[in-house]
Amino acid sequence: DAGVTQSPTHLIKTRGQHVTLRCSPISGHKSVSWYQQVLGQGPQFIFQYYEKEERGRGNFPDRFSARQFPNYSSELNVNALLLGDSALYLCASSFRPDYGYTFGSGTRLTVV
Amino acid sequence: KNEVEQSPQNLTAQEGEFITINCSYSVGISALHWLQQHPGGGIVSLFMLSSGKKKHGRLIATINIQEKHSSLHITASHPRDSAVYICATNFGNEKLTFGTGTRLTIIP
Repeated sequence: DAGVTQSPTHLIKTRGQHVTLRCSPISGHKSVSWYQQVLGQGPQFIFQYYEKEERGRGNFPDRFSARQFPNYSSELNVNALLLGDSALYLCASSFRPDYGYTFGSGTRLTVV
Repeated sequence: KNEVEQSPQNLTAQEGEFITINCSYSVGISALHWLQQHPGGGIVSLFMLSSGKKKHGRLIATINIQEKHSSLHITASHPRDSAVYICATNFGNEKLTFGTGTRLTIIP
């Protein structure tokens, strides 16, 4: 059974550009959460979706948006990229928000 | 305030030693996660536990709900165990709150 799949694994973008990161949860998992991990720091919560609805949002600017599709996969979009957006973006899936989480390997975004 | 604290921050040990990493949290929770992250890598879920003890290979996780404390043990440590170990819980809300992590280095 496939784990949580994130794509792409690595990405280099220029300041001001837009980026879309993708996450496919474990089959049967209906909750997807997104986290940002800046080098040397712990993960910070960005969004959680459950049953295609936003359940929670962290302290991130409106440049960050996300959505969950009918098949429970999810996209994280970041507009007007800043150098400070360079980070490892992690997706975690769960059957329900109060169940255990499985993390994907992450997408490493570098903004130059 | 919902907080998760880990100790030690850094741990260096010789191959074969028994390792203990501690995690304490500020308020009651329903479940706690132990996670592993290798340098430059993604996060791997090791355990989720809400009571008692779980074992997987050389890894053992315990939790004491009354004491608000959990430990991760590694028996017969190996250089490949070198990683950052993180405990996390969601305090009953939508996001995981992470501990600061313990950087473990096992020397051959």
